[in-house]
Amino acid sequence: GAGVSQSPSNKVTEKGKDVELRCDPISGHTALYWYRQSLGQGLEFLIYFQGNSAPDKSGLPSDRFSAERTGGSVSTLTIQRTQQEDSAVYLCASSSPTRPFGYTFGSGTRLTVV
Amino acid sequence: KQEVTQIPAALSVPEGENLVLNCSFTDSAIYNLQWFRQDPGKGLTSLLLIQSSQREQTSGRLNASLDKSSGRSTLYIAASQPGDSATYLCAVGSGNTGKLIFGQGTTLQVKP
Repeated sequence: GAGVSQSPSNKVTEKGKDVELRCDPISGHTALYWYRQSLGQGLEFLIYFQGNSAPDKSGLPSDRFSAERTGGSVSTLTIQRTQQEDSAVYLCASSSPTRPFGYTFGSGTRLTVV
Repeated sequence: KQEVTQIPAALSVPEGENLVLNCSFTDSAIYNLQWFRQDPGKGLTSLLLIQSSQREQTSGRLNASLDKSSGRSTLYIAASQPGDSATYLCAVGSGNTGKLIFGQGTTLQVKP
């Protein structure tokens, strides 16, 4: 596609439920990143994928958070047993191997845990 | 641990004014530094990327400088326009994985 696509754009969930957030990177972009943007916290790195491998998952805040990437393309960020502090905008970015720092960001998924 | 700080947090200026946004970082061992723009409800758009060996980058009315030794970068916007109104984020790349450490951003309003 022309850009990085994230779905859903908005998600409201009840505390304790599991959620899945999806990111479709630009075709051919081997690197994929998840970031979280919270009020008062700014943008925080969560996890980095190169192909289907995640060499850096140091930003995942707890074991309730997990992510996978399949076929070197789509990635899913899963949050189990959601808590109110998980409310944030989750942003995905991808980059090409020929321009590794030329990130394209998606518009994000706004997650609200009630 | 790398920390990135942006000052001011918010800025309001009349159209046509030249302005400077500031970014500081605590660890000078950086890979690169980028300035992004974020419009409400949107993702981030990369404005300028400065490699660690460079001192500045220019694109149109934007100029970004980097002083690694003092841990500072500035984004200069010339002849500001209402369309420049957005949040500007500074981000440091600290390794070759591409991971970015972001500042909290400066929200700019340019009044017609």
